[in-house]
Amino acid sequence: KAGVTQTPRYLIKTRGQQVTLSCSPISGHRSVSWYQQTPGQGLQFLFEYFSETQRNKGNFPGRFSGRQFSNSRSEMNVSTLELGDSALYLCASSLGRRETPMNTEAFFGQGTRLTVV
Amino acid sequence: AQKITQTQPGMFVQEKEAVTLDCTYDTSDPSYGLFWYKQPSSGEMIFLIYQGSYDQQNATEGRYSLNFQKARKSANLVISASQLGDSAMYFCAMRTIQGAQKLVFGQGTRLTINP
Repeated sequence: KAGVTQTPRYLIKTRGQQVTLSCSPISGHRSVSWYQQTPGQGLQFLFEYFSETQRNKGNFPGRFSGRQFSNSRSEMNVSTLELGDSALYLCASSLGRRETPMNTEAFFGQGTRLTVV
Repeated sequence: AQKITQTQPGMFVQEKEAVTLDCTYDTSDPSYGLFWYKQPSSGEMIFLIYQGSYDQQNATEGRYSLNFQKARKSANLVISASQLGDSAMYFCAMRTIQGAQKLVFGQGTRLTINP
């Protein structure tokens, strides 16, 4: 069973540019969540998509957006990049059933390391 | 609001010794789940163990066990017979009914196993 795949693994962008990151979840998983990891702020929740709908959102500016396709693959977009957006972006895949959210494991990809210069 | 606190930024342990990584949590939600993840230098978050707030017994998964003390709001991870490959960052995380699929993470503990 294939794991969570994130592409690309590494990115270098210039301030002001925009970037799109991709996440393919485990087959059969309908929930995809995105997290930002930085040395200063640690791991912070960005948003979660389930069946092509954003179901939960963290406290990030509107420059951060996402979407999910009918095959559950998800993309995250960051517009007008700032130096502070440099981070490891992790995607998590899970079944996402509302009735059993507590013990639902979230399986993570290897992340996309974004560097903004 | 939910919060996870990991008070040990770094730990150094001799190979084959047991190690306990501390985690305390705060939530007003009576229903919650606690998770431990391992993050090696490659970046991937690897799920280790889960404990539900209503579980009567402490969770165990191979060499990993969770010392769950609900009254103290602590969920410490115990690794028995540590191995060199256990060297990594370890994160405690929590999910609540109100937070749905969102995981709230602690700041992590960097564990180094010495030969």
